[in-house]
Amino acid sequence: NFMLTQPHSVSESPGKTVTISCTRSSGSIASNYVQWYQQRPGSAPTTVIYEDNQRPSGVPDRFSGSIDSSSNSASLTISGLKTEDEADYYCQSYDSTLKVFGGGTKLTVL
Amino acid sequence: EVQLVESGGGLVKPGGSLRLSCAASGFTFSSYSMNWVRQAPGKGLEWVSSISSSSSYIYYADSVKGRFTISRDNAKNSLYLQMNSLRAEDTAVYYCARDSPESYFDYWGQGTLVTVSS
Repeated sequence: NFMLTQPHSVSESPGKTVTISCTRSSGSIASNYVQWYQQRPGSAPTTVIYEDNQRPSGVPDRFSGSIDSSSNSASLTISGLKTEDEADYYCQSYDSTLKVFGGGTKLTVL
Repeated sequence: EVQLVESGGGLVKPGGSLRLSCAASGFTFSSYSMNWVRQAPGKGLEWVSSISSSSSYIYYADSVKGRFTISRDNAKNSLYLQMNSLRAEDTAVYYCARDSPESYFDYWGQGTLVTVSS
């Protein structure tokens, strides 16, 4: 089994760019796709990135995803921050039988 | 429109049992793998279990293996989670979530709260 580690919280100002990391503890980050979910308080999660860097329809191109094999991590980058982006963000990946979430990152846009 | 509606949550004593249901509509239920994901109060998301479209493949998180059973009834467009030997640490909102063809959780229900307390 592996773990995905995210920073507990990040904050940035409106209009700026923020990057949230997600580090895989064992096994290659490139071996299984990484997804990113946004969860606003009191709501179910929604997908903002799937298959490392793909955006579902309706998700603005301010959201982008990438992986870095050298650091064994994935990243979610949000540019042109808006106050509506304030939420919890979770990375998620899998192996042959298990699905794993990161611990979540609270994004504050202040 | 895809809809997933969970039901069956509530208050149960430690050691007790509960059966959650998820009613699906707006898509061909029998063609998709399905999942249960939970979230303890103030905590992060935790994958609980997955079941393939024909129930051929079933997987559980270590934290629930041997206590929870996932099942589905494709004729009724429904997903279930039988939870036995419940513990305080099972207290959470339980979400039903669909697997997209690309194997990510593309649709989620609004969740049902399970509270395990004496």
